[in-house]
Amino acid sequence: DAKTTQPPSMDCAEGRAANLPCNHSTISGNEYVYWYRQIHSQGPQYIIHGLKNNETNEMASLIITEDRKSSTLILPHATLRDTAVYYCIVRGYNQGGKLIFGQGTELSVKP
Amino acid sequence: NAGVTQTPKFRVLKTGQSMTLLCAQDMNHEYMYWYRQDPGMGLRLIHYSVGEGTTAKGEVPDGYNVSRLKKQNFLLGLESAAPSQTSVYFCASTPRDRLISSGNTIYFGEGSWLTVV
Repeated sequence: DAKTTQPPSMDCAEGRAANLPCNHSTISGNEYVYWYRQIHSQGPQYIIHGLKNNETNEMASLIITEDRKSSTLILPHATLRDTAVYYCIVRGYNQGGKLIFGQGTELSVKP
Repeated sequence: NAGVTQTPKFRVLKTGQSMTLLCAQDMNHEYMYWYRQDPGMGLRLIHYSVGEGTTAKGEVPDGYNVSRLKKQNFLLGLESAAPSQTSVYFCASTPRDRLISSGNTIYFGEGSWLTVV
């Protein structure tokens, strides 16, 4: 299974863009990149996912490098409610079902 | 459509007692997972199942047993609870691999808080 590496913590000013990096240098061609976040001790919440093209939805944008070895989650206008732990996960076809979370990045949005 | 439901949500056990956590999903998902999350830590995979009647070990399986007798239910058992098993437990489900490209594919329950004293 591809491993992911994320910085343990980041700060962001309210109203500014939050850019959360993820390294997945061992990703294989059929593996997707997923981003989830967890607020306090709630269940993880889906944000976005992608394969190789950049993706955007109402919550965030996902930028994947051309070699797919890293990606960045962008929250365009961070609010205090975006304070959470953000997890980058890679998963593809035929992984036998196993789904492993890394340690995630704790994002603190400050006024 | 309730998604993923965990019961109970809160439980206090004495050391040595046994209990079972139930995870139920109504989305006809093949894959189901049990995770534990300790304070300040990420989610660690305990056991998972890729289909009815099949289970597999995750990262931290010791002290737990699981069963998947029905597709919609995944049970996590603690035979002899220990204080080290005090944690928040999350269940998740997802369609099987060939469908993972279709959007929000990993659904989580709201968590079960277990304290072993």
